[in-house]
Amino acid sequence: AQKITQTQPGMFVQEKEAVTLDCTYDTSDPSYGLFWYKQPSSGEMIFLIYQGSYDQQNATEGRYSLNFQKARKSANLVISASQLGDSAMYFCAMSQGAAGNKLTFGGGTRVLVKP
Amino acid sequence: NAGVTQTPKFRILKIGQSMTLQCAQDMNHNYMYWYRQDPGMGLKLIYYSVGAGITDKGEVPNGYNVSRSTTEDFPLRLELAAPSQTSVYFCASSGAVSERAYEQYFGPGTRLTVT
Repeated sequence: AQKITQTQPGMFVQEKEAVTLDCTYDTSDPSYGLFWYKQPSSGEMIFLIYQGSYDQQNATEGRYSLNFQKARKSANLVISASQLGDSAMYFCAMSQGAAGNKLTFGGGTRVLVKP
Repeated sequence: NAGVTQTPKFRILKIGQSMTLQCAQDMNHNYMYWYRQDPGMGLKLIYYSVGAGITDKGEVPNGYNVSRSTTEDFPLRLELAAPSQTSVYFCASSGAVSERAYEQYFGPGTRLTVT
């Protein structure tokens, strides 16, 4: 069975600073995908970034980067130059297989960006 | 493209009532999913489908049924509603063959209260 753990229930970050959100995972499958989603207070789920288990390089998407450490089974999200609009819940998730199906989500981390 | 649409947006059910949550996508995606999100928690997979006529259980299928007669539609049926089914329900879809086949597109959600 797959498991995702997010140990930070909430955190504050100053506007324009970087923030790292922790995510650890557990799986016995050699092939899997790791995801981060953002959920603002309006409730929708917004895809941020994806990392396949066989990808050699860390994924980046604009201000988002995923720090993938396979041996540690961690997939931390780094948001650079935080903006007020980054205030939201952030969920780490993983899939069975790298294709991205059947996501298992962590409990989430709430980020509040201070001006 | 409308993406993934869900109806209704809100619904209050009495214990023992039944209802169908509607989900449709216009992206010709093969994969479709139903998740539920309880307050303060991450999403959990209820059912998923890999194509018309093919469905399978996720992590929390009890009390729900699905069908997939067309590529576009994936309704979720609640039979004999219980207070434990109070939740926000998200439908999602993803493409089988594309550069970003792993990305799941989420609908806006249905907020269901069972009293």
